[in-house]
Amino acid sequence: GESVGLHLPTLSVQEGDNSIINCAYSNSASDYFIWYKQESGKGPQFIIDIRSNMDKRQGQRVTVLLNKTVKHLSLQIAATQPGDSAVYFCAEGNSGNTPLVFGKGTRLSVIA
Amino acid sequence: DADVTQTPRNRITKTGKRIMLECSQTKGHDRMYWYRQDPGLGLRLIYYSFDVKDINKGEISDGYSVSRQAQAKFSLSLESAIPNQTALYFCATSDFVVSGEKLFFGSGTQLSVL
Repeated sequence: GESVGLHLPTLSVQEGDNSIINCAYSNSASDYFIWYKQESGKGPQFIIDIRSNMDKRQGQRVTVLLNKTVKHLSLQIAATQPGDSAVYFCAEGNSGNTPLVFGKGTRLSVIA
Repeated sequence: DADVTQTPRNRITKTGKRIMLECSQTKGHDRMYWYRQDPGLGLRLIYYSFDVKDINKGEISDGYSVSRQAQAKFSLSLESAIPNQTALYFCATSDFVVSGEKLFFGSGTQLSVL
């Protein structure tokens, strides 16, 4: 079956640097993409989402980029802080017809 | 998210026992889901329900059953627990009309099967 995957399972960055977390998807019918942050002992928390009619969306210190040509999604975190240390998941959806499919996650460690 | 409550938070049980994990929500969402999280495997869908009369199997439904008792309640049962069902279980909700496909998660139930 088709699945969502991640290029990097772990990522370590210096505090203050920018972080980029990547995600590859394989379902060409997916039209919705979302990023979640999961801190230790907690459930996943919504960060940002994007629909397939857009290629970029910005939030507070976060930007999601979508490249439909190569089926690639990325999450950029500006000026990474210790509180950004967590596991980040991407997920894809299809017009609400079926539940979101999640990738395996990337652990982000921020070095003070 | 305090609006999605899972009980218990932690559970230790023995092989062969039947157990139930409960989920309740005050968000008024129609859709509810059960996911399982294992290290390195991300979140995998067990069952989902788009409304009270709807139950659907997910990717890994074998060994599990669910009950949607009301719009606000969705319980997950392990009929006869086995050690490889040791995992972190998450309940989630969504309201497609209001917030699209965005899922709202509970805090999880850590289940250990000995």
